[in-house]
Amino acid sequence: AQSVTQLDSQVPVFEEAPVELRCNYSSSVSVYLFWYVQYPNQGLQLLLKYLSGSTLVKGINGFEAEFNKSQTSFHLRKPSVHISDTAEYFCAVSPIGANDYKLSFGAGTTVTVRA
Amino acid sequence: GAGVSQTPSNKVTEKGKYVELRCDPISGHTALYWYRQSLGQGPEFLIYFQGTGAADDSGLPNDRFFAVRPEGSVSTLKIQRTERGDSAVYLCASSDGRSGANVLTFGAGSRLTVL
Repeated sequence: AQSVTQLDSQVPVFEEAPVELRCNYSSSVSVYLFWYVQYPNQGLQLLLKYLSGSTLVKGINGFEAEFNKSQTSFHLRKPSVHISDTAEYFCAVSPIGANDYKLSFGAGTTVTVRA
Repeated sequence: GAGVSQTPSNKVTEKGKYVELRCDPISGHTALYWYRQSLGQGPEFLIYFQGTGAADDSGLPNDRFFAVRPEGSVSTLKIQRTERGDSAVYLCASSDGRSGANVLTFGAGSRLTVL
């Protein structure tokens, strides 16, 4: 089984400032890693994913994340946020193999960007 | 269609009533998933369909929950004798079902409130 811990439930940030959302996971098997964003009254949208290869992954809207296997972390970063980045962000993992559809999500981090 | 479509977007019902939630996946996607997102939590896996059959229903909480996908496209999640604890957002997702890192596309969800 897998579990995901998002270390910050709420992150307030000023416009054009950098933001980092922390995610740690626990798993007895190797995993794929994902970050999803949920804007108000919308579905989950995939921001980026790590499947294999380079541990630094770039996603949509200027976001990037780095997979650190030794620390079992997958922190999300953006160097300069916009008001439109206000949303809830979910880190998720799935086991590599036949059950890779079974995502385990963290509880989410609410990012509020202020002018 | 272009995205995953879920209806209704909101459903309010009384305790003990029967509810159906519908999901129309992306055209051509063979795999379909239901997840449930309770308030303040990340989504949790309920059931996975490959084609018409339920390949994994291990996440259904009890026998009041049932899902079908009779023609391998649209799916209906059915909840009998609803309880207040069933209140949540029910998310549907689909993927092309190819092996090697399923990437799920989610719908906007159906918010169920049981009074």
